[in-house]
Amino acid sequence: NAGVTQTPKFQVLKTGQSMTLQCAQDMNHNSMYWYRQDPGMGLRLIYYSASEGTTDKGEVPNGYNVSRLNKREFSLRLESAAPSQTSVYFCASSLGDSVYSGNTIYFGEGSWLTVV
Amino acid sequence: AQSVTQLDSHVSVSEGTPVLLRCNYSSSYSPSLFWYVQHPNKGLQLLLKYTSAATLVKGINGFEAEFKKSETSFHLTKPSAHMSDAAEYFCVVSDGSGGYNKLIFGAGTRLAVHP
Repeated sequence: NAGVTQTPKFQVLKTGQSMTLQCAQDMNHNSMYWYRQDPGMGLRLIYYSASEGTTDKGEVPNGYNVSRLNKREFSLRLESAAPSQTSVYFCASSLGDSVYSGNTIYFGEGSWLTVV
Repeated sequence: AQSVTQLDSHVSVSEGTPVLLRCNYSSSYSPSLFWYVQHPNKGLQLLLKYTSAATLVKGINGFEAEFKKSETSFHLTKPSAHMSDAAEYFCVVSDGSGGYNKLIFGAGTRLAVHP
């Protein structure tokens, strides 16, 4: 019952360093998402991929890039980390990209990133 | 534009007493509404969802929510709190206007359950 798996779970970066958060799902879902969660706020969408081969910006894409490597995997890259990117990052997936199809979004357990 | 307001940032109840977590939404279209729960250091788990079927929605672990269009509310309730219910709860709205599974999250309500 893996579902959505994210790595690493914890990471400390220095300002200006780069890193990639990895995400994989084993539910044969078409759509995948990256969110960030900050204290006192709900989750905000960074990027999403409606289907393999496509990616689009969400609400807060600045400072991030993504790659939909294949149907299973969707990575998030911080090219030059900034303290403002200290957050908890969640990867998620759903069968389709429309809530009207009753598609539920399933979340990974989160990646805690600190930029100093 | 969509928005979600969770009216209480913290709720504290005693074990065995009812739980009420309040949520109001704003949407230009017919919305889908969700409640997610997040236990400490864990991902989000879907409790229940409303997608234009029955207005009273039953979820997991004894939770339910009622969609009230006239009040633009989707409050989460449980008749009797259990210690394991202590977590953060998020009300979420989507109306599909973004052309994709765009979810707008409330700021969250932290539920504490005391013995």
